[in-house]
Amino acid sequence: AQKITQTQPGMFVQEKEAVTLDCTYDTSDPSYGLFWYKQPSSGEMIFLIYQGSYDQQNATEGRYSLNFQKARKSANLVISASQLGDSAMYFCAMREYSGGSNYKLTFGKGTLLTVNP
Amino acid sequence: ETGVTQTPRHLVMGMTNKKSLKCEQHLGHNAMYWYKQSAKKPLELMFVYSLEERVENNSVPSRFSPECPNSSHLFLHLHTLQPEDSALYLCASSQDLVSGANVLTFGAGSRLTVL
Repeated sequence: AQKITQTQPGMFVQEKEAVTLDCTYDTSDPSYGLFWYKQPSSGEMIFLIYQGSYDQQNATEGRYSLNFQKARKSANLVISASQLGDSAMYFCAMREYSGGSNYKLTFGKGTLLTVNP
Repeated sequence: ETGVTQTPRHLVMGMTNKKSLKCEQHLGHNAMYWYKQSAKKPLELMFVYSLEERVENNSVPSRFSPECPNSSHLFLHLHTLQPEDSALYLCASSQDLVSGANVLTFGAGSRLTVL
């Protein structure tokens, strides 16, 4: 079974509008972390935002916010006021305990976001 | 230079060649990673090093051989590769393996094509 599911292979949004990218996860670890990364065409994965499983409030970083619904095991990324430079692949990832002193980061397949002028 | 630097950015090799990918981080991190990114597949973790010691090897074929001579450098030695090994190879580093959010910082990747 997939640990991280991103159901939207591609999304389109008009410049200056908000967009939500979906992410659901599956884990039995009570302590885990959720991440969103952006990958522009240049290839580099850029960290956007982090949510810990025990965090009471939704994480926010500038125009990025994470809509964390723990009971539903979802961690959707909301980008407000989209810009042309937001066009990229977006990956949801989960960090969970993998034994010993190690943690493992698992990525979803990604969503390609295109911002239209 | 800052961040994580990968060289070469692009590499084309035949199935009988031997080549190496290099990764260098300037962040003072103690953990380094190799990921493989193939088209339409999630990122696959290949190797994890913590303080120059390999702590994870995710059933990667022996034609991929990692080397971590110090905490700032990570290599991926390639030999007798197959065409299906063509992919983007991403290097990443993090402060360590266990603390807090443990954000990974990635390099721009090495695009490998095996003919």
